[in-house]
Amino acid sequence: GDSVTQTEGQVTVSESKSLIINCTYSATSIGYPNLFWYVRYPGEGLQLLLKVITAGQKGSSRGFEATYNKEATSFHLQKASVQESDSAVYYCALSENTNTGKLTFGDGTVLTVKP
Amino acid sequence: EAAVTQSPRSKVAVTGGKVTLSCHQTNNHDYMYWYRQDTGHGLRLIHYSYVADSTEKGDIPDGYKASRPSQENFSLILELASLSQTAVYFCATGTTNSDYTFGSGTRLLVI
Repeated sequence: GDSVTQTEGQVTVSESKSLIINCTYSATSIGYPNLFWYVRYPGEGLQLLLKVITAGQKGSSRGFEATYNKEATSFHLQKASVQESDSAVYYCALSENTNTGKLTFGDGTVLTVKP
Repeated sequence: EAAVTQSPRSKVAVTGGKVTLSCHQTNNHDYMYWYRQDTGHGLRLIHYSYVADSTEKGDIPDGYKASRPSQENFSLILELASLSQTAVYFCATGTTNSDYTFGSGTRLLVI
């Protein structure tokens, strides 16, 4: 079946420093999956951060970027300069272009930004 | 106003008891999903539905039933709650364009 791997369970970064959260995926369909980053702030539900549905394209939102790399099957999340308010849990996910439309999630990465 | 509303926000249930989690949407999305999240892990799909009066099994359906009596409502039912079902449950809606909206979650503790 499909799978998403986030290698870092926790990341701590100082404010104004750069960030990268790694995500690799494995999809069973012949076509290319849609890729997502979701974020969960403390006390809130899951929010879509960005999505990319075309291989080779880059998505961006709130200063975050992620590029759909089909050769490396990766979708790493990056930000040039993090803020304390970015502290949250980040989830990489994919959906196949099938009738179910279901999302497959990684285990999440807890980001802590130190002031 | 929230597009996906879950109730209750949290619940404590006794082992062997029946639990019903409810989800209501105002998105008019065709797809509705129930996911569970265990601490330190991602969300896993329990059941989903793409039309009223029909439900489908997800990846981890054992011990759960689902009901979708209308376009707007989707329930998750634990007939005999067990300790292993302690988790946070998320309802979500979706479209064929991969637009998803999540509820705020229901924290279930089974004792």
